[in-house]
Amino acid sequence: EVQLVESGGGLVQPGGSLRLSCAASGFTFSSYEMNWVRQAPGKGLEWVSYISTSGSTIYYADSVKGRFTISRDNAKNSLYLQMNSLRAEDTAVYYCVRAGGGYWFGPWGRGTLVTVSS
Amino acid sequence: QSVLTQPPSVSGAPGQRVTISCTGSSSNIGAGYDVHWYQQLPGTAPKLLIYGNNNRPSGVPDRFSGSKSGTSASLAITGLQVEDEADYHCQSYDSSLTWVFGGGTKLTVL
Repeated sequence: EVQLVESGGGLVQPGGSLRLSCAASGFTFSSYEMNWVRQAPGKGLEWVSYISTSGSTIYYADSVKGRFTISRDNAKNSLYLQMNSLRAEDTAVYYCVRAGGGYWFGPWGRGTLVTVSS
Repeated sequence: QSVLTQPPSVSGAPGQRVTISCTGSSSNIGAGYDVHWYQQLPGTAPKLLIYGNNNRPSGVPDRFSGSKSGTSASLAITGLQVEDEADYHCQSYDSSLTWVFGGGTKLTVL
């Protein structure tokens, strides 16, 4: 069974940093592209970042470009999101999501909540 | 402001048919990129419901179907059931090398 388990969320002050992790199991992690998608409280879904299987190709949403860094460790079956210069509008549940073959997302992790507040 | 436009809410009685629209532009749906749909039950993570415009993953009932035309797409749910009450999100890919979502539609089963 495919499992994606996020961790690392919490309360952080504006301007602070946080590193999210996603532990993958039940599939060959190194063969799949991965993404982070977030959902602000009571809002819709927002794609955050994409990383290719080897990590050589990376994309970011404009809202996080220059502040967030996606990475992966295929030996550890893990995906990461380093978030710097956090803002109140970054408050959201962050989901680790496996990419489908045709630009779709699935399966999804349960998510980890990031709250940016003073 | 989401790139794809969905109605905030729809409702229907058990057994009825409802549709949810998803409108994009010439840089995403109109550019030929597929539309995918996700179901998000209250308090849970989204789940892939329809992929590639009209394909259902294993385990999704055939009461759920998708279609796409031009710059828009639709999700149809027939034989509405109480357990279908959830948020539904459409998603596509954009020529700007980004993945885009709709704002989500809350389905209420009356």
